Amino acid sequence: NAGVTQTPKFQVLKTGQSMTLQCAQDMNHNSMYWYRQDPGMGLRLIYYSASEGTTDKGEVPNGYNVSRLNKREFSLRLESAAPSQTSVYFCASMGQAFYEQYFGPGTRLTVT
Amino acid sequence: KNEVEQSPQNLTAQEGEFITINCSYSVGISALHWLQQHPGGGIVSLFMLSSGKKKHGRLIATINIQEKHSSLHITASHPRDSAVYICAVLSGYGNKLVFGAGTILRVKS
Repeated sequence: NAGVTQTPKFQVLKTGQSMTLQCAQDMNHNSMYWYRQDPGMGLRLIYYSASEGTTDKGEVPNGYNVSRLNKREFSLRLESAAPSQTSVYFCASMGQAFYEQYFGPGTRLTVT
Repeated sequence: KNEVEQSPQNLTAQEGEFITINCSYSVGISALHWLQQHPGGGIVSLFMLSSGKKKHGRLIATINIQEKHSSLHITASHPRDSAVYICAVLSGYGNKLVFGAGTILRVKS
């Protein structure tokens, strides 16, 4: 099993550009999450999806959209990137039986 | 006040020392996670607890549900234990984790 995979690993955008971060898991988990991690702030939830076809806002959803394409894939889109969105982004999934949490390797995004 | 508080924020230890990191939370939970993140690295789940105590190698995690408190212990610490340790709780009402700010551990040889 690959676990949780994310692409890309690094990205530099100019202000106003758009991009989509891709995430996939092969553990048949219902729940998937997008977090951002900033120095001194800890992990903050952007959006989550409790099951295929549903998405909900987290703590910091402004400037982002998500799509739960199917049970495996959960993408995060920045429509018009801003310097405040410079961060490390982590995708995660959670197992429903034992609440085990698995994280992707992260995407380091810089917006100039 | 944050729902999940960790202490200390920073910890420096000598190799071989016994280390304790504490986590207190203020909400009802169904599970508590201890996570590890090495510098520039990904995040790995060390333990998931809903009661009692778990041990894995030199790591021990305990939880006291009544006191809303958990501890992560590292015995015979080693420089490779240097990392950020994060406590996260799964609330009893949903499937979202709430994270502590993390404890930065540095173990010197």
